[in-house]
Amino acid sequence: NAGVTQTPKFQVLKTGQSMTLQCAQDMNHEYMSWYRQDPGMGLRLIHYSVGAGITDQGEVPNGYNVSRSTTEDFPLRLLSAAPSQTSVYFCASSYLQRGAGDEQFFGPGTRLTVL
Amino acid sequence: KQEVTQIPAALSVPEGENLVLNCSFTDSAIYNLQWFRQDPGKGLTSLLLIQSSQREQTSGRLNASLDKSSGRSTLYIAASQPGDSATYLCAVSSVDNTDKLIFGTGTRLQVFP
Repeated sequence: NAGVTQTPKFQVLKTGQSMTLQCAQDMNHEYMSWYRQDPGMGLRLIHYSVGAGITDQGEVPNGYNVSRSTTEDFPLRLLSAAPSQTSVYFCASSYLQRGAGDEQFFGPGTRLTVL
Repeated sequence: KQEVTQIPAALSVPEGENLVLNCSFTDSAIYNLQWFRQDPGKGLTSLLLIQSSQREQTSGRLNASLDKSSGRSTLYIAASQPGDSATYLCAVSSVDNTDKLIFGTGTRLQVFP
């Protein structure tokens, strides 16, 4: 199994540009989530999904959109990038039995810089 | 609102020492607590998961304890090695919302030879 994969690994955007961060998992996990990690602030939940067609907001959802059309994929969209979105983004997945309370599997991260 | 704190923020120890990392949380109504390891520039790796009904979990040289009533967890690392150098994060999920994990800011550990 490849586990949780994320692309790209690095990305530089200009303010106002849009892009999609890709996340895929091959473990048939129902629960998937996106976090951002900033120095001194830990990981903060952006959006999460408990299954195909179901998404919900986390702690810091503004400026981000998500969709879940398949069990395997959970892309994160930045519609109009801002410098405040400069961060490292992590995708995670787990079985749904206890949602975030199950063992979480993380991807390697995407390092995003917005100029 | 649940808040998770980890002390110390950084720790540097010589190889072979036994050490303890601390995690505290403000709301004791947790579903479980997880400890993760993060290497520089990498993602998180799950180390131990403790259910709220458990007191401790062990994996190799790692032992995590949980005192839910006092809002504290400790990660004990026995006979530390340079390969243990990483950032260690704890996270909790709450009883009223198991869909979300709340993370601490981590303890950066360096074990020198």
